[in-house]
Amino acid sequence: KAGVTQTPRYLIKTRGQQVTLSCSPISGHRSVSWYQQTPGQGLQFLFEYFSETQRNKGNFPGRFSGRQFSNSRSEMNVSTLELGDSALYLCASTSGTAYEQYFGPGTRLTVT
Amino acid sequence: AQSVTQPDIHITVSEGASLELRCNYSYGATPYLFWYVQSPGQGLQLLLKYFSGDTLVQGIKGFEAEFKRSQSSFNLRKPSVHWSDAAEYFCAVGLTTDSWGKLQFGAGTQVVVTP
Repeated sequence: KAGVTQTPRYLIKTRGQQVTLSCSPISGHRSVSWYQQTPGQGLQFLFEYFSETQRNKGNFPGRFSGRQFSNSRSEMNVSTLELGDSALYLCASTSGTAYEQYFGPGTRLTVT
Repeated sequence: AQSVTQPDIHITVSEGASLELRCNYSYGATPYLFWYVQSPGQGLQLLLKYFSGDTLVQGIKGFEAEFKRSQSSFNLRKPSVHWSDAAEYFCAVGLTTDSWGKLQFGAGTQVVVTP
């Protein structure tokens, strides 16, 4: 089975721009979660989608949003980028039966 | 407040020596417990998990972890470390009453392996 894939792997954006990141979960997994990883704040939960519905949301501003499609693929969007948004964004898909989260390699976003 | 604590930010261990990484949690009920490993520039790989039952769980790569309810701890161990075990290790918890897609992570422990 293919693992979780994320595109793009690296991204450089300018402050004020917006960005969209994509995540394809493991086949059969219906839950997709997003995390932000920074040296200062560590790993922080952004949101989780299940069957195209946001099921959980972390403590991030409304500039961070996401969605999930009928094939379980998910995207997250960050609008009006700030320097502090520079981070590794990790996507994870969850096996509903085994309750295990499998992570993708992440998208490294740099905001200049 | 609910929290996950990894007291050791950095650990240096000699190749072949044993390793123990500490994790403590603060939750009202026993959560689901996980250990993940992250190599530089990579995503996180699940080492093992604890839901219930036997308090000593075995994982991949020769790792094991022991759940101690009385101490609210879930420490990770490996009897003999290999150079390839150098990485960052994260303890994580999920709540049975919350969505299974939401994990709270500790700050991580960086493991350095010396020859």
